[in-house]
Amino acid sequence: NAGVTQTPKFQVLKTGQSMTLQCAQDMNHEYMSWYRQDPGMGLRLIHYSVGAGITDQGEVPNGYNVSRSTTEDFPLRLLSAAPSQTSVYFCASSYEARGQYNEQFFGPGTRLTVL
Amino acid sequence: GESVGLHLPTLSVQEGDNSIINCAYSNSASDYFIWYKQESGKGPQFIIDIRSNMDKRQGQRVTVLLNKTVKHLSLQIAATQPGDSAVYFCAENGAGANNLFFGTGTRLTVIP
Repeated sequence: NAGVTQTPKFQVLKTGQSMTLQCAQDMNHEYMSWYRQDPGMGLRLIHYSVGAGITDQGEVPNGYNVSRSTTEDFPLRLLSAAPSQTSVYFCASSYEARGQYNEQFFGPGTRLTVL
Repeated sequence: GESVGLHLPTLSVQEGDNSIINCAYSNSASDYFIWYKQESGKGPQFIIDIRSNMDKRQGQRVTVLLNKTVKHLSLQIAATQPGDSAVYFCAENGAGANNLFFGTGTRLTVIP
């Protein structure tokens, strides 16, 4: 298994541009999520999904959209990039949304800079 | 809202010594706690977890202690090795789904 994969690894955007961060997992995990990590801070939840077709907001959802059309993929869209969205973005997944098997596996991250 | 914090932002230990990393949480309703290790340029890596019905859980060289009375969590690493140098985060599983709330992290540096 490749686990959780993210593309791109690095991205530079100009203010106002839009883009999609890709996340995929090949473990047939039910739950997927997006976090952002700012310098010297812990991760904060942006959006999450408990299954295909189901998404919900996390702690810091403003400026981001998600969709979950398949179990494997969970893209994160920046609608109009702002410098405040400069961060490292991590995707994570777990077998269950709730229950015994909810250990989360994280991807390698996407480092985004908005100028 | 929920918050998870750490007592110390940095910790330096000699190779071979034991390390203790502490964490305080604020939501008494949290029922699942996790420690993650994050090396530079990488995503968080699961170390060990504990549920609220337990006080202690041991893994390979790591032990997590949970004190629900004072809402405190600690990670003990035995015989710390240079490869243990990283930032360690505690996280709690808040209400709903599998959402995690992370602390700010402690940077552990192992001195050879």
